[in-house]
Amino acid sequence: HSVLTQPPSASGTPGQRVTISCSGSSSNIGSKYVYWYQQLPGTAPILLIYRNNQRPSGVPDRFSGSKSGTSASLAISGLRSEDEGDYYCAAWDDSLSGVVFGGGTKLTVL
Amino acid sequence: EVQLLESGGGLVQPGGSLRLSCAASGFTFSNYAMTWVRQAPGKGLEWVSAISGSGDTTYYADSLKGRFTLSRDNSKNTLYLQMNSLRVEDTAVYYCAKVALAAADAGWFDSWGQGTLVTVSS
Repeated sequence: HSVLTQPPSASGTPGQRVTISCSGSSSNIGSKYVYWYQQLPGTAPILLIYRNNQRPSGVPDRFSGSKSGTSASLAISGLRSEDEGDYYCAAWDDSLSGVVFGGGTKLTVL
Repeated sequence: EVQLLESGGGLVQPGGSLRLSCAASGFTFSNYAMTWVRQAPGKGLEWVSAISGSGDTTYYADSLKGRFTLSRDNSKNTLYLQMNSLRVEDTAVYYCAKVALAAADAGWFDSWGQGTLVTVSS
């Protein structure tokens, strides 16, 4: 049972825009930065979004992040088949004194 | 280029111990916190532990209940995770990751290793 709540699955067709939500509480998302990670099949995770809405160099601008209150979202526009994989949100939690991850969302490109 | 190479995984019996290592290169190791994240087969990511760049501050997931100890040797650019009293539920791929800050209290992991598999089974 993850501290951050994500939908287990999401899907879209090529070219579509999809969003993945991440819900937390005041001790994590409500007061800390949110990070998003992409894990493609059989590979290690990579950083996709940092500090709520910043993209590391090399991450396409099709990926964007936002945060409001105790929730955050990852949006992927112009969906491509290579975007298929698992997406995780993460944040520091002051109550737990540790990093908490969402349970992950499996993205399928139909 | 940042490189993180984990080693030390393998098969161990319940109750046994294992020490994982993570050799880092391509950045000034002592300037950055480091962390371990694990992933059980077919499951999601689970944060394990983090240590500050200087090594004077460590954090652990509550679920570990004192069984794991994280340390680093900045002279060798190496991170260590000592795992004791291992349980079947500790079976997972263990990833070493670089934190983008010197402080360990952040979920900002900007580089990841390829992981090392730990299997706890009799």
